[in-house]
Amino acid sequence: GENVEQHPSTLSVQEGDSAVIKCTYSDSASNYFPWYKQELGKRPQLIIDIRSNVGEKKDQRIAVTLNKTAKHFSLHITETQPEDSAVYFCAASYNDMRFGAGTRLTVKP
Amino acid sequence: DGGITQSPKYLFRKEGQNVTLSCEQNLNHDAMYWYRQDPGQGLRLIYYSQIVNDFQKGDIAEGYSVSREKKESFPLTVTSAQKNPTAFYLCASSSSGRARYEQFFGPGTRLTVL
Repeated sequence: GENVEQHPSTLSVQEGDSAVIKCTYSDSASNYFPWYKQELGKRPQLIIDIRSNVGEKKDQRIAVTLNKTAKHFSLHITETQPEDSAVYFCAASYNDMRFGAGTRLTVKP
Repeated sequence: DGGITQSPKYLFRKEGQNVTLSCEQNLNHDAMYWYRQDPGQGLRLIYYSQIVNDFQKGDIAEGYSVSREKKESFPLTVTSAQKNPTAFYLCASSSSGRARYEQFFGPGTRLTVL
């Protein structure tokens, strides 16, 4: 089955800096790669997703890149703000969705 | 935050007891999922259901059971066979039976075994 690894497990940045979170997956059949944000005590919510026929997708300060050959994808957050502080999860799916272990991002004002 | 609800928010159980966690959705979604979340770990799949009256085991199904008698409802029973049930449980749903679409999560149930 699919196995997703996510790095780093914790990330601390200064407000205004960029943050990058990386994930690798094992199943070459996976074709859908969502990213979820989970604030403390709340439910995970989708922030951006990408499908395997696209190499990059942007939404304001957030972007995701996908390298199918290397089987890795990354989340990029630019101009970070304190409200970006949360746990971020990547996932990969074909028939089943599997999640990474999460990255706790702290943005220091 | 409407659309998918879970109850109760907090649940305490004595060892040896079965408990049932509720999950309801009014999004008309075909697929529903149960995940377990432990500190420092990602979401691990317990069970999922792509259509009514059908469900499949996920990665950590031992000690859990589910039913899908109605499209809107997907209750999870944590049985006494589950060795370490204390965790945060999340239910999710998606429009398609294929896991290639956004999953919408409920607010979660925190289960503590006393």
